[in-house]
Amino acid sequence: EVQLVESGGGLVQPGGSLRLSCAASGFTFSSYWMGWVRQAPGKGLEWVAIMKQDASEKYYVDSVKGRFTISRDNAKNSLYLQINSLRAEDTAVYYCARLVTGRAFYDAFDIWGQGTMVTVSS
Amino acid sequence: SYVLTQPPSVSVAPGKTARITCGGNNIGSKSVHWYQQKPGQAPVLVIYYDSDRPSGIPERFSGSNSGNTATLTISRVEAGDEADYYCQVWDSSSDQGVFGGGTKLTVL
Repeated sequence: EVQLVESGGGLVQPGGSLRLSCAASGFTFSSYWMGWVRQAPGKGLEWVAIMKQDASEKYYVDSVKGRFTISRDNAKNSLYLQINSLRAEDTAVYYCARLVTGRAFYDAFDIWGQGTMVTVSS
Repeated sequence: SYVLTQPPSVSVAPGKTARITCGGNNIGSKSVHWYQQKPGQAPVLVIYYDSDRPSGIPERFSGSNSGNTATLTISRVEAGDEADYYCQVWDSSSDQGVFGGGTKLTVL
């Protein structure tokens, strides 16, 4: 079964850091672009970041540039999101997702995890 | 950055056709993807590259894209189609993805 499982969320104070993880199974992880999408409570989806199979290309939404870092370990079938300098507006469910064809950064996200909640509050 | 505009809500009776629009400047030149999200669940891809349907998505779901508007069409609407729907594109001018604000589909 194709599956993505996120972990690492939690309650963190403003200015703090977290590292989110996403474990992939059921497909050849190293063949796909992967990314993160977030959703603030009661709000819509927000595209966050994606990266290429070999990590040679990474793209971020403007609001997280310089604070968030996407990375991957193909040997461990894992995707990561290091989030620093957290703000209240970063409070959201963070979803890990696979890009559908594995060929292009403009692909759709076809497989999604169940999400991990990040709450930024003092 | 590129803006996608969706109506906040669309209502339709069971068995009828629902059309959810996604507006953007010359969106017809971009590839549009559509997602369905039910409460408490992760999004599900229902249409990609304007009109392609992933395996397992009913033929009742279709998409089109031209000019300044992309449209998700759901034929013979069922109660189980009630959900939030989001469109998404790649903005090549800023090198980032963009989601529309979402449309809540209510089945009357």
